[in-house]
Amino acid sequence: GQSLEQPSEVTAVEGAIVQINCTYQTSGFYGLSWYQQHDGGAPTFLSYNALDGLEETGRFSSFLSRSDSYGYLLLQELQMKDSASYFCAVRGPRTMDSNYQLIWGAGTKLIIKP
Amino acid sequence: DSGVTQTPKHLITATGQRVTLRCSPRSGDLSVYWYQQSLDQGLQFLIQYYNGEERAKGNILERFSAQQFPDLHSELNLSSLELGDSALYFCASSVVPGQTYEQYFGPGTRLTVT
Repeated sequence: GQSLEQPSEVTAVEGAIVQINCTYQTSGFYGLSWYQQHDGGAPTFLSYNALDGLEETGRFSSFLSRSDSYGYLLLQELQMKDSASYFCAVRGPRTMDSNYQLIWGAGTKLIIKP
Repeated sequence: DSGVTQTPKHLITATGQRVTLRCSPRSGDLSVYWYQQSLDQGLQFLIQYYNGEERAKGNILERFSAQQFPDLHSELNLSSLELGDSALYFCASSVVPGQTYEQYFGPGTRLTVT
């Protein structure tokens, strides 16, 4: 089967650093994406890792280890506006004509306390 | 603003009725995806279209159907509505199916079935 696991909820303090983990089990793997969704809002694309290592974009970084089937999203200098749900998604098996399935995790609710 | 538009923003209807949700993808995007998100739940992938053709199906009920038109806008039809169909319905788009890892979401349509 194909599955992604991420914690349902993470709590952190404003100004701190938090890491949201994602482990996956898929029959094919082509990369790991992260999306942010504020309550009642639309998911927004944050990052995509196709190769092992750390990708940095401002206060957010995303890491991938293909050998461990594991990735994480790192948020630094947390701000109250970072309170949101974060979804990992794996670009999985190719279905047809260059079509790749995107498999979604259940999401991690990040709660930030002042 | 992702560039993806969805109408209507809100829809209230009764059980047994039929509704149509509309989506226009970002300019230049050929692939459209539909998702359902129930309260405090993750994203459930429903269906994907590319350049007018169905490309992938997720957990879409037989009461639901979709299509993508020559101008690339898409419609999701929900019929014989039940209370459990109340949810946020998102449309997303990507340039091509190979870039499914980077999807841009519309603001969603909130459907309430009474």
